[in-house]
Amino acid sequence: DIVMMQTPLSLSVTPGQPASISCKSTQSLLHSDGRTYLYWYLQRPGQSPQLLIYEVSNRFFGVPTRFSGSGSGTDFTLKISRVAADDVGVYYCTQTLQVPVTFGQGTRLEIE
Amino acid sequence: QLQLQASGPGLVKPSETLSLSCTVSGGSINSNNYYWGWVRQSPEKGLEWIGSIYYNGNTYYHPSLKSRVTISLDTSKNQLSLKLRSVTARDTAVYYCRLISPIEYYGIDVWGQGTTVTVSS
Repeated sequence: DIVMMQTPLSLSVTPGQPASISCKSTQSLLHSDGRTYLYWYLQRPGQSPQLLIYEVSNRFFGVPTRFSGSGSGTDFTLKISRVAADDVGVYYCTQTLQVPVTFGQGTRLEIE
Repeated sequence: QLQLQASGPGLVKPSETLSLSCTVSGGSINSNNYYWGWVRQSPEKGLEWIGSIYYNGNTYYHPSLKSRVTISLDTSKNQLSLKLRSVTARDTAVYYCRLISPIEYYGIDVWGQGTTVTVSS
């Protein structure tokens, strides 16, 4: 199985400040089709996960521009340029390159 | 607007079969380039992918669950279903159904609200 490792596991950020979450995979997520199958989800308290970023760096529909994704191969980063109160929750990276689909442990973002 | 609603018994006895349904509204379960699936979440394991069924009927299961799980589509009811046999306490979790259609098709990523299942006698 591809193991996804996130750091940090928790984050406390002042509103308006940036935040960054790292995700590393135990093997490259680059497919032979040229696409990299790395996604980021946010699970707000009491809600189901929702897609933020697909294929490393593409914001999904309706996702604010303060969210951005970057990386390649095995190292990926989710950045929030200016954290808002609405960003509270747990962030997960996940890979769909290979079965089984696997998720990171999650990074809990709190507002200071 | 496409919505998913998971349902099933909240309590299942050890060794029995867990059966969950996911009712789809606002869309057809029979659409091309739709990929349906189940994910569960527990404090111990976090988010755990259970398996998927593609619009063409192909199924993919987590290797650790493959011997016990069946995912299927019921087009007459517009429902996705999950059956997990011989459950133990380790199967206690919140179960989510989900639908994905890649960006080059419909650009859909929808999760149901989650249904809590407890395995206990």
